Amino acid sequence: DSGVTQTPKHLITATGQRVTLRCSPRSGDLSVYWYQQSLDQGLQFLIQYYNGEERAKGNILERFSAQQFPDLHSELNLSSLELGDSALYFCASSGGTAESGANVLTFGAGSRLTVL
Amino acid sequence: AQSVTQLDSHVSVSEGTPVLLRCNYSSSYSPSLFWYVQHPNKGLQLLLKYTSAATLVKGINGFEAEFKKSETSFHLTKPSAHMSDAAEYFCVVSNTGGFKTIFGAGTRLFVKA
Repeated sequence: DSGVTQTPKHLITATGQRVTLRCSPRSGDLSVYWYQQSLDQGLQFLIQYYNGEERAKGNILERFSAQQFPDLHSELNLSSLELGDSALYFCASSGGTAESGANVLTFGAGSRLTVL
Repeated sequence: AQSVTQLDSHVSVSEGTPVLLRCNYSSSYSPSLFWYVQHPNKGLQLLLKYTSAATLVKGINGFEAEFKKSETSFHLTKPSAHMSDAAEYFCVVSNTGGFKTIFGAGTRLFVKA
């Protein structure tokens, strides 16, 4: 158990639908990262939050959005889903300062999304 | 700007033989470098990290990596492969604070009996 909790583990839905993926970071970690992993695109960075604020944005589609709440958990919202959104979505967390190992990412087990 | 290149998409070795997974990086400042491993249907796990201390870094499961600034490389090695090492390995470069973390495309390691 890495300490990063992602729910749900598996999700099957239809095109056009909206889903929410949830992540609880490791205790004490202030940063949350979202990644998408698919067979054709590999591991793609989506977005990072630090202590509730958006810090960095990667290849995140406009149909996707995320937020980090005051208790530091994060949610990734995926809307108007398409077949190509089927992927593993990983959340990772890291500490708040360089001294606390801010560079080291601890990953959750992932949420597997299947869009039919 | 930072970038990371994993030179092999697939590596196949026999059990008991050495493993070499190659990684080159580019960074305009002193980077932190990492190797992560992902077993099938699992999340990524930190193998080892380099953060400007010793250039030879030892990680879990007998893996180690050497930071070579002159060659901008951070290759991952293991003297003797085990079947359980079969997985995908990611080389990662990051700035201080982790606010810019770049993953390589990954190298899939196959281990033959």
